[in-house]
Amino acid sequence: SQQGEEDPQALSIQEGENATMNCSYKTSINNLQWYRQNSGRGLVHLILIRSNEREKHSGRLRVTLDTSKKSSSLLITASRAADTASYFCATDEGATNKLIFGTGTLLAVQP
Amino acid sequence: EAEVAQSPRYKITEKSQAVAFWCDPISGHATLYWYRQILGQGPELLVQFQDESVVDDSQLPKDRFSAERLKGVDSTLKIQPAELGDSAMYLCASSRLAGVSHEQFFGPGTRLTVL
Repeated sequence: SQQGEEDPQALSIQEGENATMNCSYKTSINNLQWYRQNSGRGLVHLILIRSNEREKHSGRLRVTLDTSKKSSSLLITASRAADTASYFCATDEGATNKLIFGTGTLLAVQP
Repeated sequence: EAEVAQSPRYKITEKSQAVAFWCDPISGHATLYWYRQILGQGPELLVQFQDESVVDDSQLPKDRFSAERLKGVDSTLKIQPAELGDSAMYLCASSRLAGVSHEQFFGPGTRLTVL
């Protein structure tokens, strides 16, 4: 079962522009993580934000978390063609730290 | 840089046949996960191991799927018999500890096609 839904399902932008993806989830969480998946490959961890944090930065990535709205956003600034991939949010809940992934946003960055 | 290894990368089989996938996690990672990812969707957890013990297999179709991690290191996921609906990417991941929030490290996956 999928916990979250991501919006938009697909996004196409030009190199240099910013890309924003949103994630909504349903239940209380320990933390929320974002992963990137290049076509046909495994997932790569991007960033983890804990439930008591509101914003986190890592390089060109900025993640926000609003637990009252059960939502998160991922901002990629100054996008590059190499950022073309699917991006998934995943919520970590319960004692076993089981990750439940969203449906993903397919980002295409045009050179 | 240490990586999660999976084999085979691709597997084509006919329905009703048995298939097996292998995963070798990053050395020292106590927790191992098997996910199934259907095209166009996010990964869904099938089974989670802490060392050699199963922590969560609530989404594992136990009538046809089995998983083991006998020595608490590498792991095998088996499907018998395979069905058309099992066509998907099977991903293995590992993390250092359960009970503490950690990132998961994913292998390249095994793409299964059932004909």
